[in-house]
Amino acid sequence: DAKTTQPNSMESNEEEPVHLPCNHSTISGTDYIHWYRQLPSQGPEYVIHGLTSNVNNRMASLAIAEDRKSSTLILHRATLRDAAVYYCILLLSGAGSYQLTFGKGTKLSVIP
Amino acid sequence: DTGVSQDPRHKITKRGQNVTFRCDPISEHNRLYWYRQTLGQGPEFLTYFQNEAQLEKSRLLSDRFSAERPKGSFSTLEIQRTEQGDSAMYLCASSLAGAGLQETQYFGPGTRLLVL
Repeated sequence: DAKTTQPNSMESNEEEPVHLPCNHSTISGTDYIHWYRQLPSQGPEYVIHGLTSNVNNRMASLAIAEDRKSSTLILHRATLRDAAVYYCILLLSGAGSYQLTFGKGTKLSVIP
Repeated sequence: DTGVSQDPRHKITKRGQNVTFRCDPISEHNRLYWYRQTLGQGPEFLTYFQNEAQLEKSRLLSDRFSAERPKGSFSTLEIQRTEQGDSAMYLCASSLAGAGLQETQYFGPGTRLLVL
């Protein structure tokens, strides 16, 4: 069962970049890496996903290590609205299931 | 707004009562998921539907819980004989099948249940 490990919490100053790490040392070659975030009192929302190559979208960038055993979610300029719990999740090939297995995530605090 | 909606947003009930929650997914989405989230924890998967078929159920879904999606559109989650341990946020998500492991789930705002 591929699992992810994330720091419990991180802090960032507003307007500065934030790098949120995730370790997934037991990932297999075709498992996808997804990131979701959950703002206070809201349901989770999709942020980004990737397989091998680095990915960019309007919300964030995802940097995936060459050996795929870790990845980093990058918020280029943190805003107060980015304060949330960020979850790194693997979707496992061969599992026959698309359920999301959330851990405890990283609680990001943004300091004005 | 055409996102996932859930009703009610909050529910307080007494132990032993039955409660029912409703989820309306994004209209063209054929997959619908239910998750439960307790304080300080990430959401946990309960069950999922593809169209009207319930394809997967978690061990967390005891026989007091039942979920339906009768016409492949909205879904209901019923909890019978509620217990204090059922107090949690119940989240619904929907997605469009076909993207495989790149599938994105869209979550509703959740229903917060408090059992007294």
